[in-house]
Amino acid sequence: GAVVSQHPSRVICKSGTSVKIECRSLDFQATTMFWYRQFPKKSLMLMATSNEGSKATYEQGVEKDKFLINHASLTLSTLTVTSAHPEDSSFYICSARQPDNYGYTFGSGTRLTVV
Amino acid sequence: ILNVEQSPQSLHVQEGDSTNFTCSFPSSNFYALHWYRWETAKSPEALFVMTLNGDEKKKGRISATLNTKEGYSYLYIKGSQPEDSATYLCALGVTSGTYKYIFGTGTRLKVLA
Repeated sequence: GAVVSQHPSRVICKSGTSVKIECRSLDFQATTMFWYRQFPKKSLMLMATSNEGSKATYEQGVEKDKFLINHASLTLSTLTVTSAHPEDSSFYICSARQPDNYGYTFGSGTRLTVV
Repeated sequence: ILNVEQSPQSLHVQEGDSTNFTCSFPSSNFYALHWYRWETAKSPEALFVMTLNGDEKKKGRISATLNTKEGYSYLYIKGSQPEDSATYLCALGVTSGTYKYIFGTGTRLKVLA
């Protein structure tokens, strides 16, 4: 079945540095990918919709200069957390829409800790 | 703001017990209701997608029902096994420009052997 690979699964970085998270669809082309963030004991919150070949669409309240999304190919979307701060520490997960239906396939998530 | 609620937040049951949990959602803007099973350190796994009022879906010992008029879905697990331990997420599919999910907070199930 459809597989989405996300890495790294865990990353620890220093305040002020940038971190890139990759999400790849391995056996299908994903024109649309979604990036979510999850705070402890909260639901997955959609951050942005990543569209291949065009600018991402950000949800209200998400800083686009802070969370840079690039979807340069049909199989790869990246989320870069720029100038990370401890409050950016969170769980980030991507999903890709399968081409023939409304099913979404998720990556396994990235736990980001900013120290 | 659309809000999807799941209850209970967590649940412990004995092996062999049957259990169920609830997903509540606003009935406006409804397009589909998705259930996912999410084990720690793995990707959420799609269980069901339901679109029609009265829909019932079944996969092995797990089944789900949907009531779009009153805005709820139930997930049932019959004869729970330790391997059923996971977080069960529901997501409301809405169309607003693009098709999006609005997730509930999940129900964390622990099945005790």
